Amino acid sequence: GESVGLHLPTLSVQEGDNSIINCAYSNSASDYFIWYKQESGKGPQFIIDIRSNMDKRQGQRVTVLLNKTVKHLSLQIAATQPGDSAVYFCAENNGQAGTALIFGKGTTLSVSS
Amino acid sequence: DSGVTQTPKHLITATGQRVTLRCSPRSGDLSVYWYQQSLDQGLQFLIQYYNGEERAKGNILERFSAQQFPDLHSELNLSSLELGDSALYFCASSLGVGARETQYFGPGTRLLVL
Repeated sequence: GESVGLHLPTLSVQEGDNSIINCAYSNSASDYFIWYKQESGKGPQFIIDIRSNMDKRQGQRVTVLLNKTVKHLSLQIAATQPGDSAVYFCAENNGQAGTALIFGKGTTLSVSS
Repeated sequence: DSGVTQTPKHLITATGQRVTLRCSPRSGDLSVYWYQQSLDQGLQFLIQYYNGEERAKGNILERFSAQQFPDLHSELNLSSLELGDSALYFCASSLGVGARETQYFGPGTRLLVL
């Protein structure tokens, strides 16, 4: 079965708000997590990753938080813009299939101006 | 633009037919991965090649096969197509085979089986 999932299939925010997209995973052996953004008609685009020896990592306007105790991952987007509207996927690598990624089902982020 | 290219962009075919999807990885990347994205199953890993050799296998049907050529481009062959094979097929590439290699995805091939 699928080991990576997201709490909410959709999230609607206003432009300028901060967005938080959540993801739960079930395999405690997972040691690498990635967030991808997929815009309509395009392939997934790498946003940010985090290793299990970290609990926070920051990028440009994005922050990923990892809570290994409860096996929870979140993506925070600061000052959300209409261009952030997309489907966001978390993915994990747990070594069970080489370096293959296991994806969650995705959260659709809609940003209104 | 990720640097990964896929052709064709769209493909419409009939049940029972065979198609070939093509992928060129980013310059310098040796690993190629194939994924299938459908509405009900999400993104599912199919198969991975590294420098011409099969490296890992996921939920790939026996009707499907792939290969990676000496110039590192890869092809995914889908045969005896069924309606349920209609999906987006993505290729991704990474530099090597490390467990924490960033995978960069191509734009995908949308397959419609009628």
